[in-house]
Amino acid sequence: GAGVSQSPSNKVTEKGKDVELRCDPISGHTALYWYRQSLGQGLEFLIYFQGNSAPDKSGLPSDRFSAERTGGSVSTLTIQRTQQEDSAVYLCASSLRGPGQGADTIYFGEGSWLTVV
Amino acid sequence: AQSVSQHNHHVILSEAASLELGCNYSYGGTVNLFWYVQYPGQHLQLLLKYFSGDPLVKGIKGFEAEFIKSKFSFNLRKPSVQWSDTAEYFCAVRGNNRLAFGKGNQVVVIP
Repeated sequence: GAGVSQSPSNKVTEKGKDVELRCDPISGHTALYWYRQSLGQGLEFLIYFQGNSAPDKSGLPSDRFSAERTGGSVSTLTIQRTQQEDSAVYLCASSLRGPGQGADTIYFGEGSWLTVV
Repeated sequence: AQSVSQHNHHVILSEAASLELGCNYSYGGTVNLFWYVQYPGQHLQLLLKYFSGDPLVKGIKGFEAEFIKSKFSFNLRKPSVQWSDTAEYFCAVRGNNRLAFGKGNQVVVIP
């Protein structure tokens, strides 16, 4: 596609439920990133994929968070047993190359706004 | 891993005033530097970037930034702001791993 596509754009869920957030990167981009943006907290790195593997998942805040990427394309971020503090905008981004592979621009999607009530 | 510091989180200024937002980073190797802008209700957009070459880079909407390697800085400037520049501005640095962001500058331009 022309840009990074994320779905759903908005999700309201009850505390304790599981949610899945989807990211469709720009076609041909090998690197994919997930970030979380909370009010007043800036952008917090969660995980980075190169192809289908995740060389850096050190930003995942707890074991309730997991992500996978299949076919070197679509990625899903799953949050299990959601808590109110998980409420945030979850941003996906992609780039043609990964870190350390040359200068490259990272393009962001519009985000998935998650509200846990 | 690299880290990024942005100063003066909230900035309020009048139209036609000059704007400068500071950005300092910590990373010993080669970096790619970015400024992203997020207008109210919109997603992150790339404002400008520095990879190599001329340390003074020009971006969209009259913004420019200067990379000063000795100071580990990449400050953003605009000589004369407009009301439409009201937004949050994020400095970002990519070293050998993730793209790390500063906490952002909330800029409000008063007509």
